[in-house]
Formats: sequence, structure tokens, C-alpha cells
Amino acid sequence: SQKIEQNSEALNIQEGKTATLTCNYTNYSPAYLQWYRQDPGRGPVFLLLIRENEKEKRKERLKVTFDTTLKQSLFHITASQPADSATYLCALDLYSGNTPLVFGKGTRLSVIA
Amino acid sequence: EADIYQTPRYLVIGTGKKITLECSQTMGHDKMYWYQQDPGMELHLIHYSYGVNSTEKGDLSSESTVSRIRTEHFPLTLESARPSHTSQYLCATGLAGVHEQYFGPGTRLTVT
Repeated sequence: SQKIEQNSEALNIQEGKTATLTCNYTNYSPAYLQWYRQDPGRGPVFLLLIRENEKEKRKERLKVTFDTTLKQSLFHITASQPADSATYLCALDLYSGNTPLVFGKGTRLSVIA
Repeated sequence: EADIYQTPRYLVIGTGKKITLECSQTMGHDKMYWYQQDPGMELHLIHYSYGVNSTEKGDLSSESTVSRIRTEHFPLTLESARPSHTSQYLCATGLAGVHEQYFGPGTRLTVT
């Protein structure tokens, strides 16, 4: 069956360290992969998109990698801050901007001061 | 920030009632989506639309209906609420040909 797995449900790290979140998928061949941030009781907010032919994408303190051979994306937050504490969702974008996204459960990140 | 409005934000209702969750947007986006999300779980697609008079079913569509008579409005109706419908309902929009989605604040529904 088709599946998306994001690493542990919760990840705790010290302020200033790099947080690394994992998104693995099986039986999909996404053309794009997106990452969203979701705070408690609110809707997700788009962060980054990476295409299948891109290995890495950066935006400020965020970095995303996409390995279509391993069927894996890594999401890094460098110099993490308590304000980065949230749930981070990966979403597979299978063909184009006109097909629904498939979301993972998310990883809850807590950055401890 | 995207201008997406969902009403009500919170609703407690009894079993068997018919309810309509409202979603409206002021950005003129063609694409609109309804998701259901339980705490700590993934978003499940209920219905989506790529424009006026266009609606498609998602994975959880069997107990609800939607309509898209106007670009800015995409209401979700549960004909007969059940306790299993207790969840967070999220509306999202997107531009045609653009990948990212913009989410509303959600409606938290409790069916007693």
C-alpha cells in the first residue's frame, strides 16, 4: 500500500542545534515534495517545495533534500530556536499543481532553551 | 498571509443533525480543498474543487457533500452528524498550476 512515514512522532533538541526531520515514502513517485509547518489548533503553513530533479533547496535557516532513489526527503532547521517548535508535515505532490497533495502525519519538534 | 475564512471556528452539535461548514476566500484562487485532521494524525482529503461547478471526491467523501457555485465559496455539508465526525476540518486553497496550498484556521467539530 502507499505510505508516507515521518520519523519519530516527536523530536526534542537543544536551542542552537540543527534539527533533522525525515520523510520516507513507498509506492509513490512524486514529482515534487513540500514541507509545511503546523502550530497547535491552526492550519498548516507552506514552507518549501523541492522538485524531483533538485537535490537540495534552501530558504534562510531551512534546508530540504530530496533523494528519489532512497524515496526520502530530509528537512533541516539550523540554529534552531524555541519559536521553531511546531509540527512539520511533508506532502507529496504527485504530478503537477493540479493533483491533491498526500500528507504525512508530521513530526512534532520541540526546541528547548 | 492568505485570506481564508472558516466558520464556525468551534461547533458542538448532537447526533443526527445536518451541518454546513463554511469556507470562503478573497484571493480568487481556483483550487479549494477540504481536509479532516484528528490530533497527531495526517490530513485526509474529503473533497476538492478546481473551479466553479467542479467538485471531486477525496478519500473520506462518502458522508458529506460540497458545492462550488462561486469561486470564493466552498461549503461542506454533513447530512447527518455522527460522533465519528468529531474532528478538525481544514479548508485550503491554491492557484491553478501552483503547488503550494494555503490553509484556513479550521473548524473544530464535536458531535455528541
